[in-house]
Amino acid sequence: DQQVKQNSPSLSVQEGRISILNCDYTNSMFDYFLWYKKYPAEGPTFLISISSIKDKNEDGRFTVFLNKSAKHLSLHIVPSQPGDSAVYFCAASDRDSGAGSYQLTFGKGTKLSVIP
Amino acid sequence: DAGVIQSPRHEVTEMGQEVTLRCKPISGHNSLFWYRQTMMRGLELLIYFNNNVPIDDSGMPEDRFSAKMPNASFSTLKIQPSEPRDSAVYFCASSPFGRLGTDTQYFGPGTRLTVL
Repeated sequence: DQQVKQNSPSLSVQEGRISILNCDYTNSMFDYFLWYKKYPAEGPTFLISISSIKDKNEDGRFTVFLNKSAKHLSLHIVPSQPGDSAVYFCAASDRDSGAGSYQLTFGKGTKLSVIP
Repeated sequence: DAGVIQSPRHEVTEMGQEVTLRCKPISGHNSLFWYRQTMMRGLELLIYFNNNVPIDDSGMPEDRFSAKMPNASFSTLKIQPSEPRDSAVYFCASSPFGRLGTDTQYFGPGTRLTVL
């Protein structure tokens, strides 16, 4: 059972426009969320994160929005650039699990293509 | 910092052979994670260590898989015997650990394993 779902396997956007990547989760214990970006033949790299006590976090062209009641988060990239073309993974953790470290549960990813 | 180092980058082997994947985490990081990425299942956590101690290996698919972390700067993931369905990209990630620490995990470039 997938606890973190990215229902769109791919997304194409024109350069300069907004890219919106979506992520849904089912585990209400998740309290920290991250987005990773992955280029081919490389490992995922951290992009931006948000704690469940916030509903928005912004870093330059990247903004993550969290709707806890809907168990939904989204990543907005504006303006989109060709270099943003990559696979984007949503991830979540339960900081209060007491497991001693923060396990991340990943979605399957959305491949973003920014067309020049 | 060199980042997380994984070797080999590519491994092609025949069914039944033993495969050993290696990982050097970022210096000072005391949590280490092994993931497997496939098209069908996305990024799956196999096992993670805190301070060289395995904490959760529930993601290890079968007894054919084993992982060790003999010291803070080295870990191995071994598959014996390997099977074609083990073909995937295997990632190692590390992170600093602590209640007030970061959830951010830093990934290596991955090892692409092909079992014929």
